[in-house]
Amino acid sequence: AQSVSQHNHHVILSEAASLELGCNYSYGGTVNLFWYVQYPGQHLQLLLKYFSGDPLVKGIKGFEAEFIKSKFSFNLRKPSVQWSDTAEYFCAVNARNNQGGKLIFGQGTELSVKP
Amino acid sequence: DVKVTQSSRYLVKRTGEKVFLECVQDMDHENMFWYRQDPGLGLRLIYFSYDVKMKEKGDIPEGYSVSREKKERFSLILESASTNQTSMYLCASSSGLYNSPLHFGNGTRLTVT
Repeated sequence: AQSVSQHNHHVILSEAASLELGCNYSYGGTVNLFWYVQYPGQHLQLLLKYFSGDPLVKGIKGFEAEFIKSKFSFNLRKPSVQWSDTAEYFCAVNARNNQGGKLIFGQGTELSVKP
Repeated sequence: DVKVTQSSRYLVKRTGEKVFLECVQDMDHENMFWYRQDPGLGLRLIYFSYDVKMKEKGDIPEGYSVSREKKERFSLILESASTNQTSMYLCASSSGLYNSPLHFGNGTRLTVT
């Protein structure tokens, strides 16, 4: 069965610090990978996604993620965080050929950015 | 812009009650999903549907059922609510493409007392 693991439960950073959130998945086949963000009091929004091609994908608000197939990883990065990046971040995966497009999510990482 | 609307933002029910959570999407999406979100556990898939009257169990279907009589509407049913079903419930939809992202509603926070 597919699973997704996010290593950090809660990350606290100061503004302008660099961010890297870890995500590893387990699945032997071809996958699609996603990062979602949930700002306080808001619904989950897509941050970025990877399907194929360049393993370094760029998303909204300066976020990027790198797919490393050999490590089954899809880590999220941002060079310089802002207070407004305070949110919960979820990594998700689905198998390329699964019917219905269901996503399996990680446990989430809560990011707190101090002004 | 895709809109996924969940009928209630907050709901308080008693143990043993039958509970209906409703979700409507306005983008003619084939796929609809129900997740529950709990701290430290992330989102866990309860049920999903890829067509009208079709349903598939997710990872934690026990104690739940679903109904999809119309394409735009996907209902989650708790036959007999229990306190361990206190949670945030999220509805989502996506188009039929395998790589289509999910669009989420605002969630229903259910408390079972």
